[in-house]
Amino acid sequence: EVQLVESGGGLVQPGGSLRLSCVASGFTFSNYRMSWVRQAPGKGLEWVAHMKQDGSEKYYVDSVKGRFTISRDNAENSLYLQMNSLRAEDTGIYYCARDPNIRYWGQGTLVTVSS
Amino acid sequence: DVVMTQSPLSLPVTLGQPASISCRSSHSLVYSDGNTYLNWFQQRPGQSPRRLIYMISNRDSGVPDRFSGSGSDTDFTLKISRVEAEDVGDYYCMQATHWPYTFGQGTKLEIK
Repeated sequence: EVQLVESGGGLVQPGGSLRLSCVASGFTFSNYRMSWVRQAPGKGLEWVAHMKQDGSEKYYVDSVKGRFTISRDNAENSLYLQMNSLRAEDTGIYYCARDPNIRYWGQGTLVTVSS
Repeated sequence: DVVMTQSPLSLPVTLGQPASISCRSSHSLVYSDGNTYLNWFQQRPGQSPRRLIYMISNRDSGVPDRFSGSGSDTDFTLKISRVEAEDVGDYYCMQATHWPYTFGQGTKLEIK
């Protein structure tokens, strides 16, 4: 059974940083591209970042370019999202997801950016 | 970026009746390999999203056959043949042909 378990969310002040983690199981992690998708409270879904299996390709939505960095450790079956210079509009649930086409989703981790 | 426009945004449906959601893209979603990466997701209240349909019309395993997808190029539709109580929630289309991936605004399905 495919499982994606996110962690690392919490309350952070504007301008602060957080690092999200996602541990994968139930499939060969190194064979799959991975994404992060977020959802602001009461709002729709927004794709945030994507990474190829070997890390050679990374893509970001414009609103996080230069502030967020996606990375992975295939030996640890883990995906990460380093979030710097956080803003109030980054508040929401962050989901780890397996590609292609966002087939599987984790349960999400809540990030709250507020003073 | 490719803009995905769903309609309606709110969909009240009587149990046992059909439902239909439209999704239109601002650009063709046909990729250079000939495939069209248009997907549909369901998000029940308080749950993570779940993919229902991939590449226009392919149902994911475990998805009831009352769900079907159709369309081409820039115009797509999700249909539910007979709505059941468990279908309540938000439905999103998403394109994965162009970077960045983009979602529609969501359609909230409720029981009348």
